[in-house]
Amino acid sequence: DAKTTQPPSMDCAEGRAANLPCNHSTISGNEYVYWYRQIHSQGPQYIIHGLKNNETNEMASLIITEDRKSSTLILPHATLRDTAVYYCIVRGTQGGSEKLVFGKGMKLTVNP
Amino acid sequence: EPEVTQTPSHQVTQMGQEVILRCVPISNHLYFYWYRQILGQKVEFLVSFYNNEISEKSEIFDDQFSVERPDGSNFTLKIRSTKLEDSAMYFCASSVYAGFGEQYFGPGTRLTVT
Repeated sequence: DAKTTQPPSMDCAEGRAANLPCNHSTISGNEYVYWYRQIHSQGPQYIIHGLKNNETNEMASLIITEDRKSSTLILPHATLRDTAVYYCIVRGTQGGSEKLVFGKGMKLTVNP
Repeated sequence: EPEVTQTPSHQVTQMGQEVILRCVPISNHLYFYWYRQILGQKVEFLVSFYNNEISEKSEIFDDQFSVERPDGSNFTLKIRSTKLEDSAMYFCASSVYAGFGEQYFGPGTRLTVT
């Protein structure tokens, strides 16, 4: 089962920042937080990942709390094309599984 | 930008028939995966493949399933005798590394078993 919890859905106005929360209270020291999204029935799309420091790339920013028990994905200026299901996934790196375990994710709807 | 490609985009087959789903991973990637998503359900891991061997598989990946990398570019998933419950979107993914780093997914093949 997925090790993360996300709200089932969220709305955001176009042009505004979308802050997507994720709880991962049982995360262990060698586990990373990954974010993917799935637009309609397309293949999941990698967004960003991090261990404990905040990360930023051209798509989004990832803020991880100091205790690492939760994180927030930030889409700085949401567009209609950002409407998708967003998945927060915790994944280890040492001797662990290679697979991604997807939960139900969170449906983000960006409204005009 | 390199991307994972999959063919066909939609495959319709009759129950009991064999199907082969094809994928071309990103060229410098070494690890390959298949996932599936039954309509309205979660994305589920099927199998991972590295160095011409299965490195991990799920309970779903039973004897009816097999994977192969027949040449330097293609990665295939074969279902020997399809069942109605095999109807799903099948996604191929690839990555440079195994336990670390991002997996890049293809657009999927919609398999419909009638």
